[in-house]
Amino acid sequence: DIQMTQSPSSLSASVGDRVTITCRASQGIRNDLGWYQQKPGKAPKRLIYAASSLQSGVPSRFGGSGSGTEFTLTISSLQPEDFATYYCLQHNSFPYTFGQGTKLEIK
Amino acid sequence: QVQLVQSGAEVKKPGASVKVSCKASGYTFTYYYMHWVRQAPGQGLEWLGRVNPNSGATDYAQKFQGRVTLTSDTSISTAYMEVSSLRSDDTAVYYCATQDFGSPDYWGQGALVTVSS
Repeated sequence: DIQMTQSPSSLSASVGDRVTITCRASQGIRNDLGWYQQKPGKAPKRLIYAASSLQSGVPSRFGGSGSGTEFTLTISSLQPEDFATYYCLQHNSFPYTFGQGTKLEIK
Repeated sequence: QVQLVQSGAEVKKPGASVKVSCKASGYTFTYYYMHWVRQAPGQGLEWLGRVNPNSGATDYAQKFQGRVTLTSDTSISTAYMEVSSLRSDDTAVYYCATQDFGSPDYWGQGALVTVSS
């Protein structure tokens, strides 16, 4: 199975900050990666697909980059509604695997 | 608009089976894979498998092979996930989600399955 190592596991930041979350794959996955946001009690919401393509309706402050084994999700200027847990998901090979999540909290 | 509506919460005893449904609307059901993902209380997301509603073909995470069965009924645009031989660590919220651009896109609201004696 491909292991997705996500870091950091938690992050405290302030409104207006720029934050970066990283996912590292245990083997190359091309750009077969998505980023998801999850708020408590809600289903995940996809933000980014194909590593760097912004999901329709998602604010442009969210951005994704990377290919192969290293991927990043960047939020350019944090807004109050962005405090949530974020997950990466590789869909290059079965079983699809998620990163362990990054909980983004208000400082 | 795409909607996935899942069946309600279930409480089951260890060793029993549970079947969760996911009714799709707003798109052509047979065009997109349906994925199933679960989340144990306070834990991360875990991919279980996917079904092709058009052909019935399935892909499972090895961990769940033989214990999870994914099916679909195109006549009513509904996908199903059945888990057998339930254990306490199967307690989780189970989500269905359609695939677009290779990964799960639209998600159901989730169905809580509690396994307790």
